[in-house]
Amino acid sequence: AQSVTQLDSQVPVFEEAPVELRCNYSSSVSVYLFWYVQYPNQGLQLLLKYLSGSTLVESINGFEAEFNKSQTSFHLRKPSVHISDTAEYFCAVSVGGGSNYKLTFGKGTLLTVNP
Amino acid sequence: NAGVTQTPKFRILKIGQSMTLQCTQDMNHNYMYWYRQDPGMGLKLIYYSVGAGITDKGEVPNGYNVSRSTTEDFPLRLELAAPSQTSVYFCASSYSTSGRFTSYEQYFGPGTRLTVT
Repeated sequence: AQSVTQLDSQVPVFEEAPVELRCNYSSSVSVYLFWYVQYPNQGLQLLLKYLSGSTLVESINGFEAEFNKSQTSFHLRKPSVHISDTAEYFCAVSVGGGSNYKLTFGKGTLLTVNP
Repeated sequence: NAGVTQTPKFRILKIGQSMTLQCTQDMNHNYMYWYRQDPGMGLKLIYYSVGAGITDKGEVPNGYNVSRSTTEDFPLRLELAAPSQTSVYFCASSYSTSGRFTSYEQYFGPGTRLTVT
C-alpha cells in the first residue's frame, strides 16, 4: 500500500520569501502525484499534478513541483509567496493501474505567510 | 455548473442520533468519494463509488453507510452518532474510464462540519 509523508506540519514564512513544502511517498509501482490546497473553511482544490512526461509541473499562480523518482519525492516550491497563499497544502498519491482513482493524502502542511 | 454540493454545512448531533449527509454533483462524474478530515490527520477515505449501484469501503468505514442510486447523488448515513464521528466531511467526485482518457483530478465539495455531543 502507498503512503504519503509531509515532513512539516507548519511552515511560517514572511511575504516575498521563497518556500518549499516537502512531500515523500512510498509505493512500489508507478504513481500519479498531486498537490491540493485548502483555504480556510473551504474544500480542497487541485493545485497541480504529475501524471507523466516532464518531471517539473507548474500551477497558474506560481507554484511548481518536481517529481523525483529516485528520492520518491514531490516537493512544492514557490520563489516568492504572498499573503493570499496562506492555506493548508496536501500532497496526494494514486497508484497506476486499476486503483488509480483512489487518492492517499498526506497529513497536510499549514503555510502561514506573514507581512 | 455548481460542481459538488453538500448539505448541511453545519450540524450538531446528540450521541445515538442518526443523520444523512447529502452530496450531489452535476458534472456527470462516475466516481464519488466520502472523506473525513480531522485536525493534523489529513483526509481519510470512508467510502467510494465507481458508478450507480456500486459502492465499496475505504480506510475508515465503521459507523457509516452509503448508497448510490443515481450518478448525481451519493449520501452518507450515520446510524448511531458517536463523539468519534465529530469531524469535517468532504464529498468528492472524479471521472475515470478504462480507456486512455482519465481526469484523475478529484473535485471537492465545501464540506459538512459535524459535531456529536
